[in-house]
Amino acid sequence: QQQVKQSPQSLIVQKGGISIINCAYENTAFDYFPWYQQFPGKGPALLIAIRPDVSEKKEGRFTISFNKSAKQFSLHIMDSQPGDSATYFCAAPGAQKLVFGQGTRLTINP
Amino acid sequence: EAEVAQSPRYKITEKSQAVAFWCDPISGHATLYWYRQILGQGPELLVQFQDESVVDDSQLPKDRFSAERLKGVDSTLKIQPAELGDSAMYLCASSHPYRPRATGELFFGEGSRLTVL
Repeated sequence: QQQVKQSPQSLIVQKGGISIINCAYENTAFDYFPWYQQFPGKGPALLIAIRPDVSEKKEGRFTISFNKSAKQFSLHIMDSQPGDSATYFCAAPGAQKLVFGQGTRLTINP
Repeated sequence: EAEVAQSPRYKITEKSQAVAFWCDPISGHATLYWYRQILGQGPELLVQFQDESVVDDSQLPKDRFSAERLKGVDSTLKIQPAELGDSAMYLCASSHPYRPRATGELFFGEGSRLTVL
């Protein structure tokens, strides 16, 4: 059974700073590892995802770094903006399903 | 843009009552998921359908929860009787088969927030 641990639980970053959220998984998998973004009152939405044979993927201000040997991956948000304030979830592929981390509540102070 | 529709958005009920949630996935999405999200936690899969068949219901508390997707399109999740610990957001998601493996993407609805008093 896939297990996912996400840290930190909450994070406060100043506008323009770098936000970093970490995720560790237990079981090797060959499918995509995604990060989801959730605003209050809304369902989670895919933000960015990475294949496990790639070490880094960048989309605009969002970057995933993937360390296959350590079974860890992280989300970096560059030049963080108040509009990035949300809860972020990592997920790892399990048996025919995605297993989500517990979430990180990110607050960007103006 | 196509969306996953869920209703009701909010439901307040007393314990021991029955509640039901409805989900209409994005047209053409054969795979439908019901997740439960307790406040401050990540979504936890309750049940997964492929068309009208259950693929995974290992985490569904079957003594009180049931789910169906009779015609392979929309789906209903029922709780009877509701307990205090069932207070949570119930999220429905859909996808093409195997698409999450190729992209990591599920399409979530806005959820149904249940409060059990």
